[in-house]
Amino acid sequence: QVQLVESGGGLVKPGGSLRLSCAASGFTFSDYYMSWIRQAPGKGLEWVSYISSSGSTIYYADSVKGRFTISRDNAKNSLYLQMNSLRAEDTAVYYCARWLEVVGATWFDPWGQGTLVTVSS
Amino acid sequence: SYELTQPLSVSVALGQTARITCGGNNIGSKNVHWYQQKPGQAPVLVIYRDSNRPSGIPERFSGSNSGNTATLTISRAQAGDEADYYCQVWDSSTAGVVFGGGTKLTVL
Repeated sequence: QVQLVESGGGLVKPGGSLRLSCAASGFTFSDYYMSWIRQAPGKGLEWVSYISSSGSTIYYADSVKGRFTISRDNAKNSLYLQMNSLRAEDTAVYYCARWLEVVGATWFDPWGQGTLVTVSS
Repeated sequence: SYELTQPLSVSVALGQTARITCGGNNIGSKNVHWYQQKPGQAPVLVIYRDSNRPSGIPERFSGSNSGNTATLTISRAQAGDEADYYCQVWDSSTAGVVFGGGTKLTVL
């Protein structure tokens, strides 16, 4: 079945860096856009970034632009999020999700189980 | 930027119908998607493109979208439907994804 498994979360000091990974299985990874979405403790969902199937098109939310870098390795069926200059407000569960779309519509299915990133001194 | 407004909470009696709204400027012109998130779990897609159910989602879940309001309707509500529900659209003006703030559904 289609499955996404995130890893790489943990505790990091403000200003530090962390790299998240998402391993995909059960579908042809290289055919799909992918995305990262986060959820701060007790808060709602916030879209972070997406990457096209080839990796040639990338977008970021303004809140992470210039600090986070999304990438993928289609040979390894893996999605990544390099997070630099981390701030306390980046503390959240980070989900990877498969991006589905038709013209004018974009949605996410499925989602991984999430990995917790805590930024604290 | 585009904004989506959801009520913080909705309550429904067991077996009755729950309606969760998602407000946005002319949202009827957009495609709206809904996710269910139970405590400690990842979100699950329950409705896509306004009114389509993914496989495995009960027929009790339905959606509609018109004017400035999209609605997720849960018929014959069950205790297992208690969760947070989020609406989501694509904002073409910013090439970004927008989520509503989420609604906590309580089944009494």
